[in-house]
Amino acid sequence: QTVVTQEPSLTVSPGGTVTLTCASSTGAVTSGYYPNWFQQKPGQAPRALIYSTSNKHSWTPARFSGSLLGGKAALTLSGVQPEDEAEYYCLLYYGGPWVFGGGTKLTVL
Amino acid sequence: EVQLVESGGGLVQPGGSLRLSCAASGFTFSTYWMYWVRQAPGKGLLWVSRINTDGSSTNYADYVKGRFTISRDNAKNTLYLQMNSLRGEDTAVYYCASGAGRAVAGDYWGQGTLVTVSS
Repeated sequence: QTVVTQEPSLTVSPGGTVTLTCASSTGAVTSGYYPNWFQQKPGQAPRALIYSTSNKHSWTPARFSGSLLGGKAALTLSGVQPEDEAEYYCLLYYGGPWVFGGGTKLTVL
Repeated sequence: EVQLVESGGGLVQPGGSLRLSCAASGFTFSTYWMYWVRQAPGKGLLWVSRINTDGSSTNYADYVKGRFTISRDNAKNTLYLQMNSLRGEDTAVYYCASGAGRAVAGDYWGQGTLVTVSS
């Protein structure tokens, strides 16, 4: 069974920078996994941030960026704002099915 | 304005069936891949299924394969999820989501519909 692993929780100070990662149990994550990233706040539906590794949606704030880092997909937030406190999920493509990571709870403190 | 509105959730007994619908508006539905994603109470997101633009290709997660069927009616701008042989672990909020291309697995999302499987 394929497992996608994210950091369970991270804490960052307002104005700081933080990187969330997304690893696959099958090996290194490449662009062929089309990494997608989503933000979810309590009681809300998820909101798409990044698709296909590093592409932003029209509504994605400039402080969010996606990349591949050390065999993992990565989401970097630069100049973190209090409203960025949320759960973040990555999603990887496995040639048919997709698999979500377990999510990273980001606390801004 | 893009809108995805799910319906059809509710309480069902184990072993029962339910059909979810997702009405789409504000975009050209027939050109988008569509997805179902679920979230059990207090848990993370779980990918369930996807269907291509004309309905000729579908994929399922192992935990629903053989029990759930995804389909779409492009004339009605509606996505469906037929859920059979439901189990307690299927209890979740079910979201539909759109994808503008094969690499975009959920640009727009609905607000979800709650399915509770319990006797």
